[in-house]
Formats: sequence, structure tokens, C-alpha cells
Amino acid sequence: EAGVTQFPSHSVIEKGQTVTLRCDPISGHDNLYWYRRVMGKEIKFLLHFVKESKQDESGMPNNRFLAERTGGTYSTLKVQPAELEDSGVYFCASSPFFSGELFFGEGSRLTVL
Amino acid sequence: SQQGEEDPQALSIQEGENATMNCSYKTSINNLQWYRQNSGRGLVHLILIRSNEREKHSGRLRVTLDTSKKSSSLLITASRAADTASYFCATDLGGTYKYIFGTGTRLKVLA
Repeated sequence: EAGVTQFPSHSVIEKGQTVTLRCDPISGHDNLYWYRRVMGKEIKFLLHFVKESKQDESGMPNNRFLAERTGGTYSTLKVQPAELEDSGVYFCASSPFFSGELFFGEGSRLTVL
Repeated sequence: SQQGEEDPQALSIQEGENATMNCSYKTSINNLQWYRQNSGRGLVHLILIRSNEREKHSGRLRVTLDTSKKSSSLLITASRAADTASYFCATDLGGTYKYIFGTGTRLKVLA
């Protein structure tokens, strides 16, 4: 069974540009989460989807961040326009609805210059 | 503010020794989980302990939970060089599926 996959693994962009990160969860997992880790700091919650609905987006930093999950399958996280402080590793995780265990992808490292 | 905070921030031990990490949290929870992250990789689930459990074992791992003190500990016995990683606790905000992580404990096991 394929795990959670994220693309790209690393993205380097200039301030003001746009980046879209993609996450493919494990098939059948209704819950999908986005997290971000800035170097040395905590793994910060961004948002949580249940199927295609945003259950909780309280961690989204501002309106430059837009997350979607079309059809309850894969999800995208778009940052537009990117700022220097957006640099970090963005993790996606999925879980079955009634299980607490999260299955993480390898992360997408974003560097904004 | 962080829901979970791990302590210590960094720990260095010799192979064969035991490693203990602690996690404190602030609100009521349904369960608490521990994860491991090897450098540059994703997080891997280690163990989940529910709020009505006090201790749980999995191989060389032992987790305790004290809900009165809002704290948990992870003990790795007979550590190996391969245990070198960062360890995170994650807590849900009671009744939700929103999991909050801390800053982690960086464990280094010297061969």
C-alpha cells in the first residue's frame, strides 16, 4: 500500500512568487492534515480536512495560504505571494476517520529567497 | 502557545543506555501520541496512549501518562545508534482530531 506522498520534495522560489504543494494521502483516509516546521521550532498545525471539507483551518497564517482538497482525495497548499517567513518544511499527514494515528509524508521543503 | 512541550530539548547518551523524554501539555486530551523523525524524513508513529491508560509498552518503548499532571514520558530502553532521531509528542484537543505537536527532543545515541 502506498504511503502519503508529497510533491515537490524541495522548492526554491523568490519572494513574491507562487508555489503549490501537493499531498496524496493514503487511499481511503478521510482525514488530511497540513503542518509546517520552521527550523528548530515546533511542528505547527495549519489545517485539517475531513474528506473535502475544511474541519479546522485555525492554523493558517494568513490569506496568502490557500488549501484545497478536491473530491476528498489529494490536497494542494498554495502560497501566493510567498514571503521569506514562509520558508520551512510542510508536512502532510492522513488518517482513517476513527483512528488517532497520523501517517506522514516526507515533507516539502520550501525555501523563499 | 504550544499544547505540547518536550523536555529535554536535546539528549546525548551511549549505546545501551536508557533514554527518557518528557512531554507536558495544557488542555484535556483523548489520547497522546509519540512520533519519531529521522533527519530529513517524515514523522513515524511510535505509540498512542489513551487518556484512561497509565502505561503502555511496545518493544523497547514504554510510555506513561499522568493526566492529573498533564504529562507523559517516553522511555527507550537499551538504546541503539539507530534510535538517533527527534522525538515528538502530539496531543489532541479533547474531543477533536486536531493534533498539536511540540518542538521535540533531539536524541543522539553514541556507538
